[in-house]
Amino acid sequence: DIQMTQSPSSLSASVGDRVTITCQATEDISNYLNWYQQKPGKAPNLLIHDASTLETGVPSRFRGSGSGTDFTFTISSLQPEDIATYYCQQYDDLPYTFGQGTKLEI
Amino acid sequence: QAQLVQSGGGLVKPGGSLRLSCAASGFTFSDSYMTWIRQTPGKGLEWVSYLSSSGTVVNYADSVRGRFAISRDNAKRSLYLQMNSLRAEDTAVYYCASLEPFHWGQGTLVTVSS
Repeated sequence: DIQMTQSPSSLSASVGDRVTITCQATEDISNYLNWYQQKPGKAPNLLIHDASTLETGVPSRFRGSGSGTDFTFTISSLQPEDIATYYCQQYDDLPYTFGQGTKLEI
Repeated sequence: QAQLVQSGGGLVKPGGSLRLSCAASGFTFSDSYMTWIRQTPGKGLEWVSYLSSSGTVVNYADSVRGRFAISRDNAKRSLYLQMNSLRAEDTAVYYCASLEPFHWGQGTLVTVSS
């Protein structure tokens, strides 16, 4: 299975800050990467697919980049409603595996 | 609008069985690989099993192989997870999800406790 290493595991930031999360795959996954946001008690919500394509309705402050094995997720200006846990997921090869998650706190 | 609605789950004793169901609408279920994913309290996401659109390709995580069985009924647009010989460590929120397109169910809590 492809292993996804996500960092940091937790992050404390202030409203307006730029926040960056990284995700590294153990092998080349091209751009087959999702980013999810999960709030307590809710299912994960897909924000970005194909490493950099925003889902419809997702604010433009969210951005994804990278290809191959190294990927980055950025929130350009943190908002209070962005407090959540974020996960990356590769879908290059089954099983589609997840990073360990990044818990974002203010 | 795509939707996956889960049912089943609940409290079961160790060694017991439970069946989860997932009803799909708003997308072409019969064309989609489907998967079950679980999340233990305060922990991350772990894939449990996946099943191809035709039902011919199936796989299980080592932790559940031989105890869990995934199945689907394309005519009913439904996915199932039969869980047998349940253990305390199977306690988690279970999600069904489609793969490409990625849609998720609302999740259902399974608690294994005496």
